[in-house]
Parts: sequence; structure tokens; C-alpha cells
Amino acid sequence: DADVTQTPRNRITKTGKRIMLECSQTKGHDRMYWYRQDPGLGLRLIYYSFDVKDINKGEISDGYSVSRQAQAKFSLSLESAIPNQTALYFCATSLRNEQFFGPGTRLTVL
Amino acid sequence: KNEVEQSPQNLTAQEGEFITINCSYSVGISALHWLQQHPGGGIVSLFMLSSGKKKHGRLIATINIQEKHSSLHITASHPRDSAVYICAVSKDTDKLIFGTGTRLQVFP
Repeated sequence: DADVTQTPRNRITKTGKRIMLECSQTKGHDRMYWYRQDPGLGLRLIYYSFDVKDINKGEISDGYSVSRQAQAKFSLSLESAIPNQTALYFCATSLRNEQFFGPGTRLTVL
Repeated sequence: KNEVEQSPQNLTAQEGEFITINCSYSVGISALHWLQQHPGGGIVSLFMLSSGKKKHGRLIATINIQEKHSSLHITASHPRDSAVYICAVSKDTDKLIFGTGTRLQVFP
């Protein structure tokens, strides 16, 4: 079984809808991240959490929110999706600087 | 200007060729990472290094801290090496700053 899992893997939604992307990990890591990837751009950090009580904004947090329900779970929400949030979203964990990525969620906002 | 620059953006090679991908960065770092992203989208970590050189199979990563430059080499390239290779740096925490990636295609 994969150490970092993301659900759903693919999602198509409409403008204005609320959507949640979920991430679970079995690695026992405290640190978790949400990134988005757009064609021609590097991965960009949306939010990160260094433990259950620590949530921090990344470079592109506007339009997103997160919840760290437990050490193993870190969810990303789009309160009111817009087309320019169409992207590939990755969750990751880290330990001593090494990062471990989930398989990604391809989100399309129509 | 991006803090992490990669070159080339795209690279094609014939099977068996020696391949080099370059990464330059403009910030002080604690470590540099090379990642591989396959066409299916998944990202795996290849190397994390803060000095010198590391080797894993046909892959070699080097870093020159003074010149703020790293290279990823692939010896005896194979079509299964076709992927996007991403350079990233970490500063004083585990947070990464990513380059835009180098798309490699290796033809038989």
C-alpha cells in the first residue's frame, strides 16, 4: 500500500462549488504539505503543517483552506472553486528534509 | 527571476547516450533535491544532497555549493528514463522551492 494517498485522484467540478481534497499518510511524519502544479510552472506551496496544531500559509494560499484532522490526515478545501484552480495537486510529507509525495489529484474546474 | 533555474527545459536523447541536466539556484540552501515525475504524474525523490556527489545505479548527482550549481547525470540512458526531472532546494526548513523541470525523452 502507498505511504501517502490522495483522494480523489481525478475530479471535475463547476465554478462556485466547494470541494475537498484529502490526503492520508502511514509514514508517521509530523510535517505535511499541499502543492499545486501548473504546466510550465514549478510546484508551488499552498499550505503546510509541521504538526497537528501548526498550520501555515504557503506562497499561494488565497482561495484555499486546510484542516489537519490528525497526524495522518491533511485536507485541502476550495471554498468556491474557480477555473484558474484547475491544476494537479500534490500532498507530501517530510522527515529530515526528505519529501514523500502522494500520487496527485487532477482537478478540473469548469 | 526564479530562485531555482533548470536547463535545458526539454531534452531528447537516443538510448545509450550520457545525459546531463543542470540546476542553478540563487539562495542559501540546506539541501538540494532531485525528483523524478513520470508521465502518470507521480513524483519520487531521487537524491537529496548538501555537498559532493551521490550515485544510485545509472544516476549521479553532484553539487557545487560555492557556484550554487548542481547536475544530474544519467549514464547509458534508456527509454524508461523518460520523465520530467525536477530540481528543488530547501533553505532552513523542510519547505522546498522548485525549478520548473526538465522534460527528458529517450528514444530507442
